[in-house]
Amino acid sequence: DQQVKQNSPSLSVQEGRISILNCDYTNSMFDYFLWYKKYPAEGPTFLISISSIKDKNEDGRFTVFLNKSAKHLSLHIVPSQPGDSAVYFCAASAMEQGGSEKLVFGKGMKLTVNP
Amino acid sequence: EAGVAQSPRYKIIEKRQSVAFWCNPISGHATLYWYQQILGQGPKLLIQFQNNGVVDDSQLPKDRFSAERLKGVDSTLKIQPAKLEDSAVYLCASSLGLAKNIQYFGAGTRLSVL
Repeated sequence: DQQVKQNSPSLSVQEGRISILNCDYTNSMFDYFLWYKKYPAEGPTFLISISSIKDKNEDGRFTVFLNKSAKHLSLHIVPSQPGDSAVYFCAASAMEQGGSEKLVFGKGMKLTVNP
Repeated sequence: EAGVAQSPRYKIIEKRQSVAFWCNPISGHATLYWYQQILGQGPKLLIQFQNNGVVDDSQLPKDRFSAERLKGVDSTLKIQPAKLEDSAVYLCASSLGLAKNIQYFGAGTRLSVL
C-alpha cells in the first residue's frame, strides 16, 4: 500500500525551462512534506519542505505547492539547469505517538535537464 | 561540518552469511535512522533511535535484522542470515530531533547477496 506516489518515473526538460514534479499521497494525517534530491552513488539530500498549514513555499529556483484537498503536491524548478539532473523523492510524515515522525518516501522520479 | 559517515560502501556476500554496517551521524544529532532502499523504490525506514533508545522498529525484520546504538552516537545494523531479497542500499540518516527535522543522509552501503 503506497501512501506516497510519484506516478511518473522520469521527466526530460530543456535547460532554462520549468520542471514540474508531481506527488500524490493517500494518508490525510500527513502534515509535513519534503523533497529530496539524489545523485548517483550519493545519499538523498534535502531540497525543500512545506508544512500542511501552508500551500506554498519558495526557496530560490525551487517552489513547492501543496493542495491538501487533492492530496497533491508539486515541485517547480525555474529555470531548470543541467546540474538539476537527478532523482527526486517526495516524502511525507505524520506525528505519531511519542512525538516522533516517520518519513514515507515515494519511488522517485528521474529528472534530466538537457543543455 | 562533517556529514553522516557510513562504511563499508559496498559489500558482496552469499546468502545465509552475516553482514554488518556502521554509521556515524552528524555530531550533536540525537536521532538516527536506518533505511533500506531496494532498486527502483524509495527509502523505507527500518529503525529509528533517539539517543540510544529505539523509537520505532515496526518495519525491521527482527528475525534476521538487528541494530544498536549503545552510546547514543555510532550505530551498527546487522543482518544474520542474509537472504537474496536483502540486496539493497542501506542508508543511515540523522537529525537534531524527532519531529519536523531535516534528515541528513549518508552515502549508503550497497549490499549484494548472491
